[in-house]
Amino acid sequence: EVQLVESGGGLVQPGGSLRLSCAASGFTFSSYSMNWVRQAPGKGLEWVSYIASRGSAIYYADSVKGRFTISRDNAKHSLYLQMNSLRAEDTAVYYCAGGSDSSGYFVYWGQGTLVTVSS
Amino acid sequence: DIQMTQSPSSLSGSVGDRVTITCQASQDISKFLNWYQQKPGKAPKLLIYDASNLETGVPSRFSGSRSGTDFTFTISSLQPEDIATYHCQQYDNLPWTFGQGTKVEIK
Repeated sequence: EVQLVESGGGLVQPGGSLRLSCAASGFTFSSYSMNWVRQAPGKGLEWVSYIASRGSAIYYADSVKGRFTISRDNAKHSLYLQMNSLRAEDTAVYYCAGGSDSSGYFVYWGQGTLVTVSS
Repeated sequence: DIQMTQSPSSLSGSVGDRVTITCQASQDISKFLNWYQQKPGKAPKLLIYDASNLETGVPSRFSGSRSGTDFTFTISSLQPEDIATYHCQQYDNLPWTFGQGTKVEIK
């Protein structure tokens, strides 16, 4: 059974940092590109960042570029998102989502972790 | 960025109804359009990829089509378990972008 389990969310003050993790199992993690997609409360989905299966390509949405860093450890079947200089508008449920290097559709999704940025 | 205009924002149908949702791209995105279903409190689930391809295991009452920059998602016979929000997503150009979502309810 495919599983993606996010962790690391919580309450953080504006300007603070948080590191999200996503643990994968049930599929060949190293063969899949991975993404972070977020959803602000009551809002639609927003793609945040992409990393290729071997880490050879990385992309970010403009809204997080320079503040967030995506990384992965294929030996540990894990995906990460380092979030710095957090703002109130970063408040959202963050999902990790997996797809293929050659396409931009997300086949596998985690259950999400809530990040709340507030003083 | 490519804008995805999804309509309607919500709809209500009876069990057995044919339901249609549209998504219009602000520029040509070829066939690179996907549809997801998101039930309340859950993660999205891929239903349709590349405009019209049904993901494995998805019931055949779901379908998708394309006409130029206009994309249509159809539920041929609405079922109670189809209550959800449906999202379109383009991946022709980065940043990949989603529509605003359509909430589907049962009358």
